[in-house]
Amino acid sequence: NAGVTQTPKFRILKIGQSMTLQCTQDMNHNYMYWYRQDPGMGLKLIYYSVGAGITDKGEVPNGYNVSRSTTEDFPLRLELAAPSQTSVYFCASRGEGGYTFGSGTRLTVV
Amino acid sequence: TQLLEQSPQFLSIQEGENLTVYCNSSSVFSSLQWYRQEPGEGPVLLVTVVTGGEVKKLKRLTFQFGDARKDSSLHITAAQPGDTGLYLCAGAYDNYGQNFVFGPGTRLSVLP
Repeated sequence: NAGVTQTPKFRILKIGQSMTLQCTQDMNHNYMYWYRQDPGMGLKLIYYSVGAGITDKGEVPNGYNVSRSTTEDFPLRLELAAPSQTSVYFCASRGEGGYTFGSGTRLTVV
Repeated sequence: TQLLEQSPQFLSIQEGENLTVYCNSSSVFSSLQWYRQEPGEGPVLLVTVVTGGEVKKLKRLTFQFGDARKDSSLHITAAQPGDTGLYLCAGAYDNYGQNFVFGPGTRLSVLP
């Protein structure tokens, strides 16, 4: 099925560890996004990309990094995990019909 | 400070009842979208509205965009348990580039 694929679905990290959240889309969308969703706070934009090789910060970029070497892939990197990064992370791509979201990664930092 | 506000935050109703949820901003939207998110999944697009005063219907869901393009409502007729979920509105602003801003959502629970 066409769409946005995120891995892993769940992850527990210890403080100070690093990890990469993977995101792939097969709709040839130029725009891709990373959001975090905290209870009662809606979706907060972390980073976005308007095409391969181009990325930009969103509302809450601190503690994260991204790269966009291909149209399909937009990984999100956490270098030094902190408890404040416990959240559900959603990757999305956007075409003319609106946003298509992945099913999310639930990350807990302990 | 939220650019977008949604109300109510929570809503619990019985199957068969009608309901309306709201999305408001102090700024003018260039377009607005509604999404529904079920537990453990990402949001799924329901509708996009772009013209002030526009009304769109999707089966039992009616979406209205305010004349001034600062607010929107979602009305559900004869709610069913399958309507349960988090309803998010997302607005695009001319001075916010190509990205949409998401509201905090209304969490709806429809009891059988």
